[in-house]
Amino acid sequence: SQTIHQWPATLVQPVGSPLSLECTVEGTSNPNLYWYRQAAGRGLQLLFYSVGIGQISSEVPQNLSASRPQDRQFILSSKKLLLSDSGFYLCAWSERTSGIYEQYFGPGTRLTVT
Amino acid sequence: SQQGEEDPQALSIQEGENATMNCSYKTSINNLQWYRQNSGRGLVHLILIRSNEREKHSGRLRVTLDTSKKSSSLLITASRAADTASYFCATPWASTALIFGKGTTLSVSS
Repeated sequence: SQTIHQWPATLVQPVGSPLSLECTVEGTSNPNLYWYRQAAGRGLQLLFYSVGIGQISSEVPQNLSASRPQDRQFILSSKKLLLSDSGFYLCAWSERTSGIYEQYFGPGTRLTVT
Repeated sequence: SQQGEEDPQALSIQEGENATMNCSYKTSINNLQWYRQNSGRGLVHLILIRSNEREKHSGRLRVTLDTSKKSSSLLITASRAADTASYFCATPWASTALIFGKGTTLSVSS
């Protein structure tokens, strides 16, 4: 069966520090991968999605970036965090071949920028 | 970007009652999905309804889709305290992604 991992689970970082969040998927090949951010009590904001290694689509211009160095690994990064980067970051994957993309979510990373 | 908007934003009911939440979207879609999120957790897929379907059932869940009104509803029958969560609708975006609404927070008290 497929599983999706995210780490760390929680993170407290000072403003201006770098960020690296990692997401890995097991049990499937060639997945579509997604990064979302959820502010407190709010909906999900799609940040990035990827349909293959090195293929990243950005939905929101900001100081965040994403990379996909391996087929089942998706990394969210920032060189300098802002207070507004605080939130709950969720990674998700979907099958690439189905045509209808039901998504499967990881447990999330709670980021607090101080 | 197109986005589902859930209504109401919050809903409080007693155990045993039915809970209905609605979703409206802006452009034509080929499917609409509903997800559930327990506090502090990732989302879990509940049900998918295709554009050629009017109604779909899964256990205590009933979803309807009215493409002419660009709206969908999620009905949870005989609610339980364990149904307390946020519920989101999601519509397709850019052929491989989904756009989620802001969600309905459901509280079921015993």
